[in-house]
Amino acid sequence: AQRVTQPEKLLSVFKGAPVELKCNYSYSGSPELFWYVQYSRQRLQLLLRHISRESIKGFTADLNKGETSFHLKKPFAQEEDSAMYYCALRDNYGQNFVFGPGTRLSVLP
Amino acid sequence: GAGVSQSPSNKVTEKGKDVELRCDPISGHTALYWYRQRLGQGLEFLIYFQGNSAPDKSGLPSDRFSAERTGESVSTLTIQRTQQEDSAVYLCASSWGTVTGELFFGEGSRLTVL
Repeated sequence: AQRVTQPEKLLSVFKGAPVELKCNYSYSGSPELFWYVQYSRQRLQLLLRHISRESIKGFTADLNKGETSFHLKKPFAQEEDSAMYYCALRDNYGQNFVFGPGTRLSVLP
Repeated sequence: GAGVSQSPSNKVTEKGKDVELRCDPISGHTALYWYRQRLGQGLEFLIYFQGNSAPDKSGLPSDRFSAERTGESVSTLTIQRTQQEDSAVYLCASSWGTVTGELFFGEGSRLTVL
């Protein structure tokens, strides 16, 4: 069965510092990976997906099939990045989305 | 509408009562998902629909929970004989259902069982 883990429940960094939010998955097929973000008092929204290979708000994420990881990175964190981040996997059969438990990122001034 | 709409946004009920939560997906989206988010917790998958059928009901926590979808549109999540542990935010999301479709979320229905 597919599973997504995010080992850090809370991550605090200072403004301007690099940040990496970890995500690991288990899935026997070829999954599609996403990062979703929930800012305070806003609905969950897509941040980026691995097939797009794009950088959104300075964030990037690379799918590493060997390590089954999809870590989210940003070289210089900003206070407005403070939010809850969820890593998600979608299987290519049932179109089911499975979410990790989430990591709360707190960027300190 | 422009986005996924959920109602009610807030519901307070007494233990033992039944509640119905409604989700209006984005028009044309064939896939619809329900998740539960307890305070301080991540998203817990409940059920998803492709069209009007639910190929995966594995996440429903007990037989007190049921969901239906009609007209490939509106979905209702029903919780019978509510318990205090049912208190959570219930999130609905929809997508085009294609291989590359992303999820669009509603703002959620916050359920409090006293």
